[in-house]
Amino acid sequence: DTEVTQTPKHLVMGMTNKKSLKCEQHMGHRAMYWYKQKAKKPPELMFVYSYEKLSINESVPSRFSPECPNSSLLNLHLHALQPEDSALYLCASSQEDKGVRVGYTFGSGTRLTVV
Amino acid sequence: AQTVTQSQPEMSVQEAETVTLSCTYDTSESDYYLFWYKQPPSRQMILVIRQEAYKQQNATENRFSVNFQKAAKSFSLKISDSQLGDAAMYFCAYRRYNNNDMRFGAGTRLTVKP
Repeated sequence: DTEVTQTPKHLVMGMTNKKSLKCEQHMGHRAMYWYKQKAKKPPELMFVYSYEKLSINESVPSRFSPECPNSSLLNLHLHALQPEDSALYLCASSQEDKGVRVGYTFGSGTRLTVV
Repeated sequence: AQTVTQSQPEMSVQEAETVTLSCTYDTSESDYYLFWYKQPPSRQMILVIRQEAYKQQNATENRFSVNFQKAAKSFSLKISDSQLGDAAMYFCAYRRYNNNDMRFGAGTRLTVKP
């Protein structure tokens, strides 16, 4: 299995809703990432988990709450979002072996619309 | 802070021809990685090619090759024998060695004309 699977592919939520994005990989990668991508813009790093521990938080608002329950799964919990949070949310993973730094494997993303 | 600059918002190439996409970056580090990612309309970011900064030899992957000029901090992507399936958004990316913080350029939209 060489894929990163993201669910759902599309999500429409109201500003008072609570929802979660899910990301899963079975490649044995020990680093997992959340990126946010607005239309016609590059992906922007949000969070990095390394060995299930949060290692980077790019000053993301608290209405976004990441969670890494195990080495294969990464969640992004959403609460009280704003319309400007509408974007494509990309998950990625990479190996964390010492001395081995490779490119990331990305999922296809969740297209989020906040209404 | 590291920055990645792609100065060509859009590029166009005729099918079977060759095109070069430009990328420059700014860093004070000596050890790092550079990548080219492709994002087609399907949205998934696909790794095209990567270059380790300590390697002088330019990376090559089939029709894709890079021109890595470390002193000039330049990392261009050459696509030979362009195919319709190469049409996509191309992002140049930088990642510091032993660091999980990959940064992307603004992207270049490549159109392939039949």
